[in-house]
Amino acid sequence: ELKVEQNPLFLSMQEGKNYTIYCNYSTTSDRLYWYRQDPGKSLESLFVLLSNGAVKQEGRLMASLDTKARLSTLHITAAVHDLSATYFCAVDNWHNNDMRFGAGTRLTVKP
Amino acid sequence: GAVVSQHPSRVICKSGTSVKIECRSLDFQATTMFWYRQFPKQSLMLMATSNEGSKATYEQGVEKDKFLINHASLTLSTLTVTSAHPEDSSFYICSAPQQGRYGYTFGSGTRLTVV
Repeated sequence: ELKVEQNPLFLSMQEGKNYTIYCNYSTTSDRLYWYRQDPGKSLESLFVLLSNGAVKQEGRLMASLDTKARLSTLHITAAVHDLSATYFCAVDNWHNNDMRFGAGTRLTVKP
Repeated sequence: GAVVSQHPSRVICKSGTSVKIECRSLDFQATTMFWYRQFPKQSLMLMATSNEGSKATYEQGVEKDKFLINHASLTLSTLTVTSAHPEDSSFYICSAPQQGRYGYTFGSGTRLTVV
């Protein structure tokens, strides 16, 4: 069974600081996704990582994938309050083409 | 881009009644739709996968007779919560694989409250 572990579950940061969220998964997978969820809202797609060594950046967020270690990271650079949200990683189960989600990281950026 | 329209966004119903949630793919054909449930401050849990023209596949522990899924056309999948109880109160989200690219399109979610 595909399992996705994400940490930390809670993250409180000060504006301007850097931090990394980690996502480990248990079995070989095709694709790794990062999503953002604001309270009461659905998911917003941030990144899709398709291959070993893939790195994608958008603004203050950068995601990377190491398929050998079965690890993805989401790095936050110089955090701002607008980044406060819950971030989920998810992995495809290529047998069934469905996604399994990590537990989520609730990020709070304080002034 | 691909859009999945989910309705209603919020619904309050009495215990024992049934509620239908619709997800429509607006500009693409969704042969597959995934249905997730999210309890407050928790992650998304896959409930079932619907495929157009065939029976849905349910995850272990999800009652087929309680959560009825219909995927009668390439643009519409529905989830009906039958005989709803307060413990069914949750946020339900549908998603469909994107066409021609990797990724999924999510509906906007339905907040169900059973009183």
